[in-house]
Amino acid sequence: GQSLEQPSEVTAVEGAIVQINCTYQTSGFYGLSWYQQHDGGAPTFLSYNALDGLEETGRFSSFLSRSDSYGYLLLQELQMKDSASYFCAHHLNQAGTALIFGKGTTLSVSS
Amino acid sequence: AAGVIQSPRHLIKEKRETATLKCYPIPRHDTVYWYQQGPGQDPQFLISFYEKMQSDKGSIPDRFSAQQFSDYHSELNMSSLELGDSALYFCASRLSGSDSYEQYFGPGTRLTVT
Repeated sequence: GQSLEQPSEVTAVEGAIVQINCTYQTSGFYGLSWYQQHDGGAPTFLSYNALDGLEETGRFSSFLSRSDSYGYLLLQELQMKDSASYFCAHHLNQAGTALIFGKGTTLSVSS
Repeated sequence: AAGVIQSPRHLIKEKRETATLKCYPIPRHDTVYWYQQGPGQDPQFLISFYEKMQSDKGSIPDRFSAQQFSDYHSELNMSSLELGDSALYFCASRLSGSDSYEQYFGPGTRLTVT
């Protein structure tokens, strides 16, 4: 089967750094994506890792280790607006196909 | 830039009624995905289409059907609605063959079944 595990909640203060981990089990691996979703809003794409290593996009970075079936999303210089749910996801049967999401991590940023 | 459009944004139906949700992908996007998200849950993949053909099927109930039309818009038809069908329904689109695997999500249709 396919599954992705991530913590259900994370809390942090403004300006801090937070790491959201994701471990996965899948019969075929076609990359790991991260999406952000504010309450009641649409998921929005943050990053995609197909190969091992770190991808950086502004304050957000994503890391992948295929040998460990593990990835993480790193959020730096946290802002209140970063309070949202973060989902790791992989593709159903090849890159570009439907997303299978983890349960999501709710990040709460306080001042 | 144009985004994915979904209509209606809110829909209230009674049990056993039918509902039709519409999705208009970003212009030139040829792939459409439908997801269902219950309260406090992750989005669950229902069904996807590429070039008007069903490409993958997820956890879509037999009571639901969907199709993609020649202009690439898609409709999700839901019959014999149940209370458990109350959820946010997202449509997402993508241009196949693009360098990015990003899926662009619409604002969703909030379906309430009473």
